[in-house]
Amino acid sequence: GDSVTQMEGPVTLSEEAFLTINCTYTATGYPSLFWYVQYPGEGLQLLLKATKADDKGSNKGFEATYRKETTSFHLEKGSVQVSDSAVYFCALVTGGGNKLTFGTGTQLKVEL
Amino acid sequence: DSGVTQTPKHLITATGQRVTLRCSPRSGDLSVYWYQQSLDQGLQFLIQYYNGEERAKGNILERFSAQQFPDLHSELNLSSLELGDSALYFCASSARQGASADTQYFGPGTRLTVL
Repeated sequence: GDSVTQMEGPVTLSEEAFLTINCTYTATGYPSLFWYVQYPGEGLQLLLKATKADDKGSNKGFEATYRKETTSFHLEKGSVQVSDSAVYFCALVTGGGNKLTFGTGTQLKVEL
Repeated sequence: DSGVTQTPKHLITATGQRVTLRCSPRSGDLSVYWYQQSLDQGLQFLIQYYNGEERAKGNILERFSAQQFPDLHSELNLSSLELGDSALYFCASSARQGASADTQYFGPGTRLTVL
């Protein structure tokens, strides 16, 4: 079945550091890929998405590129802020969009 | 604000009881999804409804059931509650079925605590 593997957290960075959170997937067919973010005490917010190979999703300084050859969708940001501290989930949908399959989430802590 | 609303925000109840969680999708969205987030299982898909009909089932227990009403709001019913049912329950909605409709927008969740 479909699965998503994310790097283990927590990831602790200093403000203005470069961020990479790795995500790889296994899926039948051609999935759409997503990053969702969950701030403390809140629900999931869509951060960015990509629906086909080589697409780059971007939002709020975050980027991720759909790499079919390596089945990856790594999240990057050039300069993190304390306000980026949250849990980040990589996810995929296949077929008609019936269900999201999530990774385990990666907690990011950004310190001054 | 995603436009998806869920009530109540918090729910505390005892083992053996029954509760109902409510979700209103974004205006115009026909699909509603329910997910459970727990520490040991992570985020798990439970069930999907589209325009009142069940479309997909995931890891949903037989003690749990859901429905979508003509006004498109949905309810998730959890019965014979056990300690292990304590979790955050999310509702999400999307516009339609099909490739262009596969972005799901999440509500703020209902935190269920079973004592």
